[in-house]
Amino acid sequence: EAAVTQSPRNKVTVTGGNVTLSCRQTNSHNYMYWYRQDTGHGLRLIHYSYGAGNLQIGDVPDGYKATRTTQEDFFLLLELASPSQTSLYFCASRDRGKQNTLYFGAGTRLSVL
Amino acid sequence: GQQVQQSPASLVLQEGENAELQCNFSTSLNSMQWFYQRPGGSLVSLFYNPSGTKHSGRLTSTTVIKERRSSLHISSSQTTDSGTYLCALAPNYNVLYFGSGTKLTVEP
Repeated sequence: EAAVTQSPRNKVTVTGGNVTLSCRQTNSHNYMYWYRQDTGHGLRLIHYSYGAGNLQIGDVPDGYKATRTTQEDFFLLLELASPSQTSLYFCASRDRGKQNTLYFGAGTRLSVL
Repeated sequence: GQQVQQSPASLVLQEGENAELQCNFSTSLNSMQWFYQRPGGSLVSLFYNPSGTKHSGRLTSTTVIKERRSSLHISSSQTTDSGTYLCALAPNYNVLYFGSGTKLTVEP
């Protein structure tokens, strides 16, 4: 079973604050994803990457940066956090190939006051 | 997002009843998956089912590409089935788009 670890699990910051969410996967999967989940919207894709140094824009990228530093590590950066970014954030990974499923981390609950 | 519509948004059952959850999509797909989200928030994959019918215990997933729909059937529901069920489709092999989910509550 693939392991995807997110940190922190919970984070509270103030408007304008700087936040970094971390994600590490230990199965050398090619693809990694950041989603946010809000009531009534399901999971929405923020950014994704198919390898170290690569970044692809998702559906709701505004206000977010991301960086894939290694095969294992994918970071989501909120440089000027706003209350609208209060959400539950999930990282996920997937190996190359159409048959492979998505493996999720446990989520990070972020509150921006 | 809008490419994937799930229904119903919520469902309340008595233990032992069956449930039918629907997922309709407006785009072509290469992949369809069903996920279960526990009340605490963690997500687990239930099925990878781009077409046809698959079974896993009390769960059955059926995807009919021509009709642009996928369903998840839960038989003999149990209180531990409570949670949110999400479908996700991939029009290509890179990205999965999620529906808003069906919140299932099974009462004893």
